Amino acid sequence: GNSVTQMEGPVTLSEEAFLTINCTYTATGYPSLFWYVQYPGEGLQLLLKATKADDKGSNKGFEATYRKETTSFHLEKGSVQVSDSAVYFCALSDPRSGAGSYQLTFGKGTKLSVIP
Amino acid sequence: NAGVMQNPRHLVRRRGQEARLRCSPMKGHSHVYWYRQLPEEGLKFMVYLQKENIIDESGMPKERFSAEFPKEGPSILRIQQVVRGDSAAYFCASSPQGRAHEQYFGPGTRLTVT
Repeated sequence: GNSVTQMEGPVTLSEEAFLTINCTYTATGYPSLFWYVQYPGEGLQLLLKATKADDKGSNKGFEATYRKETTSFHLEKGSVQVSDSAVYFCALSDPRSGAGSYQLTFGKGTKLSVIP
Repeated sequence: NAGVMQNPRHLVRRRGQEARLRCSPMKGHSHVYWYRQLPEEGLKFMVYLQKENIIDESGMPKERFSAEFPKEGPSILRIQQVVRGDSAAYFCASSPQGRAHEQYFGPGTRLTVT
């Protein structure tokens, strides 16, 4: 079955530090990969996505590259801000494999705290 | 264009009571999904519905839980005879026809069972 493993938090960084949150996956097919962000008290918002190998998703200064050879989709940002403090979820769907096309599989989430 | 709406945002129920959670999808979206987020966990798929049809309920507990998406009105997730283990955040998502992987999430309902 499909699964997503992401680095455990919490992660605490100073403002303007470099961020990496690791995410690896297992999937039987050819998944699409996503990063969602959950700000305190809110629902999940799609941050970025990539649908095929070597694609790079990017948004709001965040980037992640779909690496098929390492089955990874690590999230990076060059300079974090206090407003980036949130929980980040890596997720996948598998558009070609029946239920996997709509059942998003999530990692457990990584809590990021950015201090001034 | 309003996003996915869920209400209530917070719901407190005593053990044995019923909980009803509502979800209005984004305008133009005909597919609805419910996920549950237990503390310190990622979201877990529960059920996928289209108007008047349950497409996949494989993630939903067999007892006490039910879901519907009527022709008119919001989707409802119903939990009968709640227990403390039902305490969680319940998220609804919706997607447009033919794009099930593009799911837009609501703010969630946080259910607390006392």
